Amino acid sequence: GESVGLHLPTLSVQEGDNSIINCAYSNSASDYFIWYKQESGKGPQFIIDIRSNMDKRQGQRVTVLLNKTVKHLSLQIAATQPGDSAVYFCAERFSGGYNKLIFGAGTRLAVHP
Amino acid sequence: GAGVSQSPRYKVAKRGQDVALRCDPISGHVSLFWYQQALGQGPEFLTYFQNEAQLDKSGLPSDRFFAERPEGSVSTLKIQRTQQEDSAVYLCASSLGDSTEAFFGQGTRLTVV
Repeated sequence: GESVGLHLPTLSVQEGDNSIINCAYSNSASDYFIWYKQESGKGPQFIIDIRSNMDKRQGQRVTVLLNKTVKHLSLQIAATQPGDSAVYFCAERFSGGYNKLIFGAGTRLAVHP
Repeated sequence: GAGVSQSPRYKVAKRGQDVALRCDPISGHVSLFWYQQALGQGPEFLTYFQNEAQLDKSGLPSDRFFAERPEGSVSTLKIQRTQQEDSAVYLCASSLGDSTEAFFGQGTRLTVV
């Protein structure tokens, strides 16, 4: 399949450790912020979203934090597994109420056994 | 399966040829989107349909790009007189109404030679 993120920043972690992936955004008018995971040769896969009026949201093994003061978004993955290896994109959703998404540059997560 | 299906998976076109890329969204999904993803970058929004209506085509890079969804289900992205800079993965996504969870297909990798 295609290689996604050939020259992206890479976060290398050991299996079982926690991972934190960071993202800066630019558009304060976005209504949602969303994290996507993309494996090589596949389309992006929705992980979790957070509404713009919240600062934290938890899912299964993932937590998203939103700091509107500094326009910063982070994704925390607990007990990282080899299957988590992928490129992770943050995205801002256009405030018009549909999924017109502005994706960030992406971070490659490499999980080592 | 019940996911978003795109065809062809790979397309090689000679510069100047016209191409047509097909997207079968998840049944019942009102919203359909096309994105373009250059190698090593995040997807970029091209256009949005709500049922058969094309409500946002602000991301289409030129008038050589045309998308349609005549019956509110299958969509086709057509690129006329392809240029080398059109080489990219074209992703289709669908979602239920204004849900933030967009489901992406695997994409069509277009290479213009």
